[in-house]
Amino acid sequence: AQKVTQAQTEISVVEKEDVTLDCVYETRDTTYYLFWYKQPPSGELVFLIRRNSFDEQNEISGRYSWNFQKSTSSFNFTITASQVVDSAVYFCALENLLGNEKLTFGTGTRLTIIP
Amino acid sequence: SAVISQKPSRDICQRGTSLTIQCQVDSQVTMMFWYRQQPGQSLTLIATANQGSEATYESGFVIDKFPISRPNLTFSTLTVSNMSPEDSSIYLCSVGTENTEAFFGQGTRLTVV
Repeated sequence: AQKVTQAQTEISVVEKEDVTLDCVYETRDTTYYLFWYKQPPSGELVFLIRRNSFDEQNEISGRYSWNFQKSTSSFNFTITASQVVDSAVYFCALENLLGNEKLTFGTGTRLTIIP
Repeated sequence: SAVISQKPSRDICQRGTSLTIQCQVDSQVTMMFWYRQQPGQSLTLIATANQGSEATYESGFVIDKFPISRPNLTFSTLTVSNMSPEDSSIYLCSVGTENTEAFFGQGTRLTVV
């Protein structure tokens, strides 16, 4: 069985601070994808990143960066110099490629950036 | 990439009635999925919509309550039947292929009164 754990239910930081959202996953598969999605108050899911299980390189995209560590089954997401527009619920998800490509989502972390 | 149009975007329905949600994709896709997001909760997969055959339902979801159609590779519908207030949720359509991200529609906010 697959499982994604986002232990941080809610986080609040002051604007311009850095913040890291944690994601820990469980799977028996060797081939899988990990995702991060952003869900602003409007409700749509905004794709942020997809990471293949064979690619452990960290990735940076503007103020966003991701740290993938298979040894600890973690895929953490850091926002640098946070902005009010970053306020949203962030979901980490796992896709099993040996199945039918459905996603298992974590429970989400609600991030609030305080002006 | 894939662009997904989901209709309606929101609705308020009376208990005991049914609502059909439509999902249209701008390209042919193999896999289409329906998720439910209850208020303040994460996304839970309802079923995989299979083209040309019955949908595959996840544990806790049944065809009588959530009938799904998939007449072709670009379109699917989800019906929420005999609704109760507990069905108030956001329902999302998703598509994916092996080499791309999973794309989501903008969701349907359903309120049952």
